[in-house]
Amino acid sequence: AQSVTQLDSQVPVFEEAPVELRCNYSSSVSVYLFWYVQYPNQGLQLLLKYLSGSTLVESINGFEAEFNKSQTSFHLRKPSVHISDTAEYFCAVSDLSTDKLIFGTGTRLQVFP
Amino acid sequence: DGGITQSPKYLFRKEGQNVTLSCEQNLNHDAMYWYRQDPGQGLRLIYYSQIVNDFQKGDIAEGYSVSREKKESFPLTVTSAQKNPTAFYLCASSTQDRGSGELFFGEGSRLTVL
Repeated sequence: AQSVTQLDSQVPVFEEAPVELRCNYSSSVSVYLFWYVQYPNQGLQLLLKYLSGSTLVESINGFEAEFNKSQTSFHLRKPSVHISDTAEYFCAVSDLSTDKLIFGTGTRLQVFP
Repeated sequence: DGGITQSPKYLFRKEGQNVTLSCEQNLNHDAMYWYRQDPGQGLRLIYYSQIVNDFQKGDIAEGYSVSREKKESFPLTVTSAQKNPTAFYLCASSTQDRGSGELFFGEGSRLTVL
């Protein structure tokens, strides 16, 4: 069965530093990939998604993620973080063979001034 | 504005009482979902519905019940049979089944059982 691993439960970083949040999934069978962001006491919002085409996808607020089929990864990166990026980030994988959407356990990004 | 409305935002109940969480959407989405979120465990699917008057169990349905009498509404009842009901509950919807579509989430309901 498909599984999603977010190895880092917390990532502390200073403002304006680069950051990478890691996401690996278990099967390279046809998948769609998503990153969601959750601000405190709120629901999740879609940050970016990979369905097909270019393996590098970008969000409107400077995040990007690259689909790497050989390494079954979809890491999220930002070259310079802001205090307002402090939130929990969830990677999710849609396994098209089972039509199931599986969420990772989340990574809490804490940006310090 | 289109979106998903969950109520109440915070709820306190005594052990042994049933509780119903409301979820309403005006996005005209066919599919709706209930997730439970616990610290360090991510999101776990409780129930989902792809069409009115039909719903399926998710991964952790025991102790919960749902109904889907209207396209816009998908209430969740946390029954007294749920052994550990204190959690953050999230309702979501999508235009298609969750496998291929983006999920739109409500702001959540935090249930605390005393």
